[in-house]
Amino acid sequence: AQTVTQSQPEMSVQEAETVTLSCTYDTSESDYYLFWYKQPPSRQMILVIRQEAYKQQNATENRFSVNFQKAAKSFSLKISDSQLGDAAMYFCAYRSALSGGSNYKLTFGKGTLLTVNP
Amino acid sequence: GAGVSQSPSNKVTEKGKDVELRCDPISGHTALYWYRQSLGQGLEFLIYFQGNSAPDKSGLPSDRFSAERTGGSVSTLTIQRTQQEDSAVYLCASSRHGGLAGVYEQYFGPGTRLTVT
Repeated sequence: AQTVTQSQPEMSVQEAETVTLSCTYDTSESDYYLFWYKQPPSRQMILVIRQEAYKQQNATENRFSVNFQKAAKSFSLKISDSQLGDAAMYFCAYRSALSGGSNYKLTFGKGTLLTVNP
Repeated sequence: GAGVSQSPSNKVTEKGKDVELRCDPISGHTALYWYRQSLGQGLEFLIYFQGNSAPDKSGLPSDRFSAERTGGSVSTLTIQRTQQEDSAVYLCASSRHGGLAGVYEQYFGPGTRLTVT
């Protein structure tokens, strides 16, 4: 079974600064997908960024980028120019690339609560 | 278009009562997932539906939990004889397809917060 670990229960950053959230995972599979989701107080989970394991290039989405280290099984999220609206719980998630049934489920870490200070 | 909707938003029930939680997926999405988010366990997968195929129930924690999906659209998660440990936020997600040709984003609803007293 796959596991996802987020070692930082809480992080804080000053507005306009950069912050990095850590995530490690454990799997025996060679192909898979990794995601970062954001959950504001409204509870709505929002996809921030995703990475396919077969791609060496790190994914980027505007101010959000990842550092994907496949050998180390590490997948960190960098938020640049932090904004007040970035304050939320952030979840790292894993999804198998195998087909069928529960292979399509997301396996989540425990989350990191990000506070953005004005 | 409309996103995933869930009802009720909040539900308080007494221990031992049955509850039904509803999920309306995005129109055209054939895959539907239920997850549970609790303080102790984090986010856990419960059940997966794909079209008219038999659901994958491997994540359901006990036989008190069941779910159905009618007409390949709306889904209902039923918890019988609720216990205090069932208190959690129940999240529903849908996607265009479970997988095969790639990965399709799972769009989440706002969840139902269940409190068992």
